[in-house]
Parts: sequence; structure tokens; C-alpha cells
Amino acid sequence: DAKTTQPNSMESNEEEPVHLPCNHSTISGTDYIHWYRQLPSQGPEYVIHGLTSNVNNRMASLAIAEDRKSSTLILHRATLRDAAVYYCILGSGGSNYKLTFGKGTLLTVNP
Amino acid sequence: DTGVSQDPRHKITKRGQNVTFRCDPISEHNRLYWYRQTLGQGPEFLTYFQNEAQLEKSRLLSDRFSAERPKGSFSTLEIQRTEQGDSAMYLCASSLGDSYNEQFFGPGTRLTVL
Repeated sequence: DAKTTQPNSMESNEEEPVHLPCNHSTISGTDYIHWYRQLPSQGPEYVIHGLTSNVNNRMASLAIAEDRKSSTLILHRATLRDAAVYYCILGSGGSNYKLTFGKGTLLTVNP
Repeated sequence: DTGVSQDPRHKITKRGQNVTFRCDPISEHNRLYWYRQTLGQGPEFLTYFQNEAQLEKSRLLSDRFSAERPKGSFSTLEIQRTEQGDSAMYLCASSLGDSYNEQFFGPGTRLTVL
């Protein structure tokens, strides 16, 4: 599986935007970019995914670099409930769609 | 609540004992996954099912581990002769369809082996 690189931790203030970076220089043409997050004492939850174009949903936006070697998860207005570990994951278009998690980025949101 | 449920939520056992965990996926989901997560690490894939067929197993899944999904609905994960290294959170997830769809995770079963 292609690898991703994320900062170990980031800090943000409540109601400010947060940009969580992810590098994936070995991404292949069929790899989707997935983001999941894990709140304390819970299982991971899906945030967003994309292939080439930027994506928006009710939770976040995903900005994908033109060469696809990096991407950024954008939380438009961080809340205390957004404090979590955020995982950037590459998944191929194969038949199993298993997720290969790294260590992720621990996001702290300050009130 | 119609999400993924797991039972038990916590299990403490002595080394050498067998344990079994249950996962009930979202009812219409045909894919079911098991992951293991140790402290400070992201979840690691263990195995997955499409309906009742177990289609992939990780090398992490030693001979002491077995998973079943007998009728394509709930699944069980059994660990025989537990070891202290088996202490972890065991997560179950489910998804729908034959192409990529988001995985919905349960709350996990935390296993402590004394």
C-alpha cells in the first residue's frame, strides 16, 4: 500500500479554519484519498474521500494537489467536537477496500 | 440506533483463555471488516468478509485467531490461548456494495489479557 505522511499533531482555535496536510508522493493513478477521524474512545468515522477533484461535504472539504502527491483536509470552523486523530489513507480501486491506517494527526482545538 | 454494534465492550481475561467477540453490522451491509488497534497506533486490518465469504486475512491473524460470518449477517472473532500481546481494541466495520463505500465502525471491544 502506498504510504502517507502526516504531522503528528496540530493545534487550532475554536471557530477558526483548520488545514490538515497529507503527503502521498507514491500515490498511484487508481488510489483514492480517504480521510477518517477517531474521536476519543470511539471507533473511526468517515470524513471524506476523493480521487482527483476537490470535494466538499457537510463535514469538511478535501483539496487535492494537481499532481495528487499531497492533499489537505479543511475544517471550515473548528469546534471542540472536532478534536480527534485524523487519518489520511490511500486506497486502491481493488476489490477489498481495506483501510491501511498510519498514526494520523492529533488535532487539539482550544476554546 | 442502527449503527454497528459490538459485544462485549470490554473483556478481561487470563493468559491462555479463549475469548470470542461479536459484531453486528448495519443490516443491509454486505461487507464486514475486523481491525485491531493498540495504544497510540492506528487500526490495523485483520480480515474482511463479503457476505459469508472470508476474502482476505492479514498476516497479523495468526492460527490462534478465527473469524466467521455464518449467515452473512453478524460476525464473530475468536482468539484461542490468549497472550498478553493480544491486548488491544478490536474494531469491526461494515460497508455496502461492490465498489468503494465508506466504512462504518463500531465502538470496539477492548481486550485486556492479564
